[in-house]
Amino acid sequence: NAGVTQTPKFQVLKTGQSMTLQCAQDMNHNSMYWYRQDPGMGLRLIYYSASEGTTDKGEVPNGYNVSRLNKREFSLRLESAAPSQTSVYFCASSERDLNTEAFFGQGTRLTVV
Amino acid sequence: QKEVEQDPGPLSVPEGAIVSLNCTYSNSAFQYFMWYRQYSRKGPELLMYTYSSGNKEDGRFTAQVDKSSKYISLFIRDSQPSDSATYLCAMSGGALNFGKGTSLLVTP
Repeated sequence: NAGVTQTPKFQVLKTGQSMTLQCAQDMNHNSMYWYRQDPGMGLRLIYYSASEGTTDKGEVPNGYNVSRLNKREFSLRLESAAPSQTSVYFCASSERDLNTEAFFGQGTRLTVV
Repeated sequence: QKEVEQDPGPLSVPEGAIVSLNCTYSNSAFQYFMWYRQYSRKGPELLMYTYSSGNKEDGRFTAQVDKSSKYISLFIRDSQPSDSATYLCAMSGGALNFGKGTSLLVTP
């Protein structure tokens, strides 16, 4: 019973490098989300996918792109990493939409130097 | 003003105490209310999910929603050291809005 799985768990990038954070869920959920969590800022929504084939911007989308590869997988890409993107990134999924319970992965700790 | 306000704490209580955690909000469109628990270096874990006003109990946890006051609470009875974590409130009326979390420490 894996739930929401994120890879990698830790990553250090140099400024300007690119990388993709992977997320997969095995609960047959329709909606998936990417959040970042920073001290004193709480959880902020980056992008979400209400259903397979759709993606929408959240509160802080600048500097990120996403791909809903299929119903299970939702990836987050940093094209040119900046120190301001140092954060803990969480992927989440829910059965229908943002009004239903969201289940979170264990997070990816990203440091951009 | 952020739509969801939550006191960050830290809140320190002795084992066995009753803990009260609270959030206020400004958007009257919120209909769904949740509490998440987050242990250090882990992802948030859903604790309680309620719709509209009223109380919901699950073991030692009780969630309370007062829509007229725009105020939600989570009560933890007989608190245990294993309850030490950050508690996040969240609410939704189309988009999920999180509070910043309250850090709780239960001391033996």
